[in-house]
Amino acid sequence: GQQVMQIPQYQHVQEGEDFTTYCNSSTTLSNIQWYKQRPGGHPVFLIQLVKSGEVKKQKRLTFQFGEAKKNSSLHITATQTTDVGTYFCAGPSSSNTGKLIFGQGTTLQVKP
Amino acid sequence: GAVVSQHPSRVICKSGTSVKIECRSLDFQATTMFWYRQFPKKSLMLMATSNEGSKATYEQGVEKDKFLINHASLTLSTLTVTSAHPEDSSFYICSAIRGRVGNYGYTFGSGTRLTVV
Repeated sequence: GQQVMQIPQYQHVQEGEDFTTYCNSSTTLSNIQWYKQRPGGHPVFLIQLVKSGEVKKQKRLTFQFGEAKKNSSLHITATQTTDVGTYFCAGPSSSNTGKLIFGQGTTLQVKP
Repeated sequence: GAVVSQHPSRVICKSGTSVKIECRSLDFQATTMFWYRQFPKKSLMLMATSNEGSKATYEQGVEKDKFLINHASLTLSTLTVTSAHPEDSSFYICSAIRGRVGNYGYTFGSGTRLTVV
């Protein structure tokens, strides 16, 4: 079945270091979405990428969508303690039912 | 912005009892809502798609008689965990789509942490 894989599962960084999480889909996606879940919280929408090769920035966060629309990445520059949480990528199900297929998530820990 | 309210946030119940979780879209109408289950340090597992005015669509392996979903209005979907057992203890989250996905994504409720003792 359709799968979205994400690596790494965990990442510990020193505050100020950069961080990247990678997402790969088993199928071509019409779009990819990124969510952040703080410890004890719920997923919060960050961004959606639609176009092949698209790059979007939100302050220190840079999101990329691969040319083949099967992979994506989230890069955080100069991490801060407020970046702590789990970052999920998600793609729409190929069944076109509105369902989202989530990656396993990357949990980021930032040491001050 | 779009808000999805989920209630209760935490519930402890005894084995064999039923628990109802409510998911409300506060400032928009949601013809479709999604129910997820999340185990500690794990990803979100889609349980079912809740459709207003019709039966829910359950994912493979999810018992529809155990996890009853009702979507009686455009702003309310409920998940009832029937005859709960300790293995049903988990974090349950609902989500809905408001308007264009590109603007708001899928909006999630704050989740319900269910503990069955």
